[in-house]
Amino acid sequence: GAVVSQHPSRVICKSGTSVKIECRSLDFQATTMFWYRQFPKKSLMLMATSNEGSKATYEQGVEKDKFLINHASLTLSTLTVTSAHPEDSSFYICSAQTSSRVNQPQHFGDGTRLSIL
Amino acid sequence: DQQVKQNSPSLSVQEGRISILNCDYTNSMFDYFLWYKKYPAEGPTFLISISSIKDKNEDGRFTVFLNKSAKHLSLHIVPSQPGDSAVYFCAASAIRDDKIIFGKGTRLHILP
Repeated sequence: GAVVSQHPSRVICKSGTSVKIECRSLDFQATTMFWYRQFPKKSLMLMATSNEGSKATYEQGVEKDKFLINHASLTLSTLTVTSAHPEDSSFYICSAQTSSRVNQPQHFGDGTRLSIL
Repeated sequence: DQQVKQNSPSLSVQEGRISILNCDYTNSMFDYFLWYKKYPAEGPTFLISISSIKDKNEDGRFTVFLNKSAKHLSLHIVPSQPGDSAVYFCAASAIRDDKIIFGKGTRLHILP
């Protein structure tokens, strides 16, 4: 149980394109989803926290207009990288949490490798 | 098939004692290992890492040991403090691959 599906797993596209990444909780309802970005051999960087039905909370230094996050239902959150440029190339990973109560596990998707040419 | 395994879902340790969290992996291509710490309702935060060319890395109270032949690593916290109570994720990445594979985590409880 507690499976998080992230799609697509890999995207290669041209500069200027907008790319949407989906994060789905397959067998549970996720009240909170997290979006991370990872650079090669570096730590995972939390980009934003999204709660179903409300605006995402972005971490300092993350451009809200660049990385649009929508958490429209309890099973789906999307991250849209708008007008992507080569510097946006990275590994993006989401995770989902079943409840806002304390001590609830967070379940990660398998990530999306984004390459902007 | 889990490539990174944390077989203990939880661990309780007395304050001041040593906490030892264990992690096993199956993929011999892994060359970089990380530990993350996570508090409730927060994303994981990076704690410490080790490259496969080393067998030990130390940062303050935290030490990670890597045994490549056994495909095993461990995180030692000494002395354990109340603020160390959290979920700890072991993670690994393979040669020439950015993707991080996480274990499922171990919840550490530091007892007063």
